[in-house]
Amino acid sequence: AQSVTQPDIHITVSEGASLELRCNYSYGATPYLFWYVQSPGQGLQLLLKYFSGDTLVQGIKGFEAEFKRSQSSFNLRKPSVHWSDAAEYFCAGTGGNTNAGKSTFGDGTTLTVKP
Amino acid sequence: EAGVTQFPSHSVIEKGQTVTLRCDPISGHDNLYWYRRVMGKEIKFLLHFVKESKQDESGMPNNRFLAERTGGTYSTLKVQPAELEDSGVYFCASSHGGGAFFGQGTRLTVV
Repeated sequence: AQSVTQPDIHITVSEGASLELRCNYSYGATPYLFWYVQSPGQGLQLLLKYFSGDTLVQGIKGFEAEFKRSQSSFNLRKPSVHWSDAAEYFCAGTGGNTNAGKSTFGDGTTLTVKP
Repeated sequence: EAGVTQFPSHSVIEKGQTVTLRCDPISGHDNLYWYRRVMGKEIKFLLHFVKESKQDESGMPNNRFLAERTGGTYSTLKVQPAELEDSGVYFCASSHGGGAFFGQGTRLTVV
């Protein structure tokens, strides 16, 4: 079955420190992969997506993610975290259709940023 | 450009009552999706419209849920009668290829 797993439920980092949020996928073929963020009281916002091509994807707000087929991973990274990055982050995947709205989501990772 | 808009943002109803959620997708997006997140668990797919047609409704939990998209514009999701386990956040998303744009969600509380 197709699945997306986020192993970390909660991560705490200090402001200015680097961040990596993990995401693993299980699909028969290379999926389309997404990262979304939900800030308190807000909806889901698309950070970045991977369809094909360059495996290092740049997104908004200084985030990037790297697709690694050998590890079935699509980890999200940011070199220096800001307090406003505190939110819940969701990795999602879909089975390779450009009509990418129907996605399978991970359980989410809550990020806390310490001053 | 306006984003995906959902109404209401919050709804508190009693068990057995009816609630209708509305979603206005981004103009020109043929694809509209409903998802929900129950009790802080994972976000789960409910159904998918292409214009006014239901493309996939495999995620609808039971026949108390009815989704419509008349004219291929906005969509409604009706829960009748609501049960306690229906409480959660209902998200709508629209796309035209390339990833979905989500609304703010409607937080439904059934008491």
